[in-house]
Amino acid sequence: DIQMTPSPSSLSASVGDRVTITCRASGSISSFLSWYQQKPGKAPRLLIYDTSTLQSGVPSRFSGSVSGADFTLTISSLQPEDFATYFCHQTYSVPFTFGPGTRVDVK
Amino acid sequence: QVRLQESGPGLLRPSETLSLTCSVSGDSVNSGSDYWTWIRQPPGEGLEWIGRIYHSGSAHYNPSFRTRATVSIDVSKNQFSLTLSSVTAADTAIYYCARHQYTYGTNWVDPWGQGTLVTVSS
Repeated sequence: DIQMTPSPSSLSASVGDRVTITCRASGSISSFLSWYQQKPGKAPRLLIYDTSTLQSGVPSRFSGSVSGADFTLTISSLQPEDFATYFCHQTYSVPFTFGPGTRVDVK
Repeated sequence: QVRLQESGPGLLRPSETLSLTCSVSGDSVNSGSDYWTWIRQPPGEGLEWIGRIYHSGSAHYNPSFRTRATVSIDVSKNQFSLTLSSVTAADTAIYYCARHQYTYGTNWVDPWGQGTLVTVSS
């Protein structure tokens, strides 16, 4: 199975901060990496797929990129509604796997 | 707009069989190149992919569940289902159904149902 390892596992930030979350894949996943946002009691919300494609309706402050095996989600200017947990998800090889999540909370 | 809705019992006893159904509206489970997927999330924990099915009936499973999980599809009802046998407390989780869409050389999982909590307790 391909393991997805996030960094950091949690972070504290303020409104307006630039936030970067990384997931490292233990094997090749091509570009098939998605990012989700989840708030308590809610289903995950798709933010980005195919490493860097913004899902329709998602604000442009969210972006995705890759460098080697490190996939990155960047929030350019954190907004109050962005405090949540973020998961990466590889859909390259079965079993598809998720990272354990990165919790973003208020500093 | 595509919507998915999970349904099924919320409380099971150990050793029983979990049966959940996902009803799809706004799209056909018999369409195109989509797979229909089950994912779960134990309370306070991360997400775990269980398995998925194509309208032809072809299914893929997480080896962690292979001997216990079965995903089936009913195109006439526009539904797909999950059964998980011999449940234990470790199967207590929110179970989500979702669409895995393939198009233009890429793929993603969206939308998701709202999720249904299944508790296993004696």
